[in-house]
Amino acid sequence: EAQVTQNPRYLITVTGKKLTVTCSQNMNHEYMSWYRQDPGLGLRQIYYSMNVEVTDKGDVPEGYKVSRKEKRNFPLILESPSPNQTSLYFCASRRDRSYNSPLHFGNGTRLTVT
Amino acid sequence: AQSVTQLDSQVPVFEEAPVELRCNYSSSVSVYLFWYVQYPNQGLQLLLKYLSGSTLVKGINGFEAEFNKSQTSFHLRKPSVHISDTAEYFCAVSKQGGSEKLVFGKGTKLTVNP
Repeated sequence: EAQVTQNPRYLITVTGKKLTVTCSQNMNHEYMSWYRQDPGLGLRQIYYSMNVEVTDKGDVPEGYKVSRKEKRNFPLILESPSPNQTSLYFCASRRDRSYNSPLHFGNGTRLTVT
Repeated sequence: AQSVTQLDSQVPVFEEAPVELRCNYSSSVSVYLFWYVQYPNQGLQLLLKYLSGSTLVKGINGFEAEFNKSQTSFHLRKPSVHISDTAEYFCAVSKQGGSEKLVFGKGTKLTVNP
């Protein structure tokens, strides 16, 4: 089954403790992206990647890092999480940079930073 | 830059009633337009998209949307809703030409009551 898999689904952590949210897709997609969803703000893009070793900042990159060493994986790293990073995070992928192909979303990771 | 305004944050309706979810966009260039749906505890999935051609676009689950360039709108409609349509709906816009940037609206929560 074609899918985008995020782990974990739920995560509670403390301020300053480094964490990684994993994202993997099995569709051989070139494009991958991370979003955060906050009430009343919709989805905002954190980082995106056009292909292996090619990443770029989205609208809200501060406090986050990403890497794209393999085509299928696009982990989101929070080096020193803070409470304002408490949010619902989504990973998404698309066949290529063209919008003729749809974005496929994971089921989300709900992060709480205390 | 593109922006999206979803005029209603919440829309309650009764089962079998028609519904319209409103979306207006702002852009100085030609755009692609999308509607995504998010069911509870799930990621987003594509409902329909306008890339070019006919301004009336049909999507999954009986939804349709009409692109109106003069009014810069892309409203989503369904003639008769079901309980299972209860979800959050997001309008999104992207600059034509394969831009990597997809800008989402803040979402409309549709609640279908029996």
